[in-house]
Amino acid sequence: NAGVTQTPKFRILKIGQSMTLQCTQDMNHNYMYWYRQDPGMGLKLIYYSVGAGITDKGEVPNGYNVSRSTTEDFPLRLELAAPSQTSVYFCASSYGDIGLLDTFGSGTRLTVV
Amino acid sequence: SQELEQSPQSLIVQEGKNLTINCTSSKTLYGLYWYKQKYGEGLIFLMMLQKGGEEKSHEKITAKLDEKKQQSSLHITASQPSHAGIYLCGADPGSGSTLGRLYFGRGTQLTVWP
Repeated sequence: NAGVTQTPKFRILKIGQSMTLQCTQDMNHNYMYWYRQDPGMGLKLIYYSVGAGITDKGEVPNGYNVSRSTTEDFPLRLELAAPSQTSVYFCASSYGDIGLLDTFGSGTRLTVV
Repeated sequence: SQELEQSPQSLIVQEGKNLTINCTSSKTLYGLYWYKQKYGEGLIFLMMLQKGGEEKSHEKITAKLDEKKQQSSLHITASQPSHAGIYLCGADPGSGSTLGRLYFGRGTQLTVWP
């Protein structure tokens, strides 16, 4: 099993550009999450999903959108990139409300210039 | 939002020494996670504690949750260079439906020199 796979690993965007961060998992986990990690800070939850077709906002959702059309995929969309979105983005998954949050992707390092 | 304070921010120890990292919350913890992170990599799950007074061990790493469920400690015995990295604690602020929606501390950077 590959676990949680994130692409791309690195990306540089210009202010105002848009992009989609991809996240896919092959463990049939129904809960998926997007976190961002700013330098010297803890991770903050952006969005999460409890199953296909269901998404909800986390602590810092502004400037982002998500969709969950399948169990496996949970892409994160940045519509108008801003320097404040420079961060490392992590996708994670767990098996429902009894599962531990024990599986994270390796992250996408995004720089907005 | 729930705040988690980790201490120390950074730690430099000689190989073979013991060390402790603390994670403190102002609110009751329903679940406390410990992760390790290396630069450029994702978080590696170490262990999760739920019950007051609970203690878990994995190899040379032991984590405890105090009786009041507001503080956790991570103890490494006989540290090795492979223990180096950033240690993060994450807290589940509620039970059931909020599981997985964690709040994180800022991390403790551990350096182990030979």
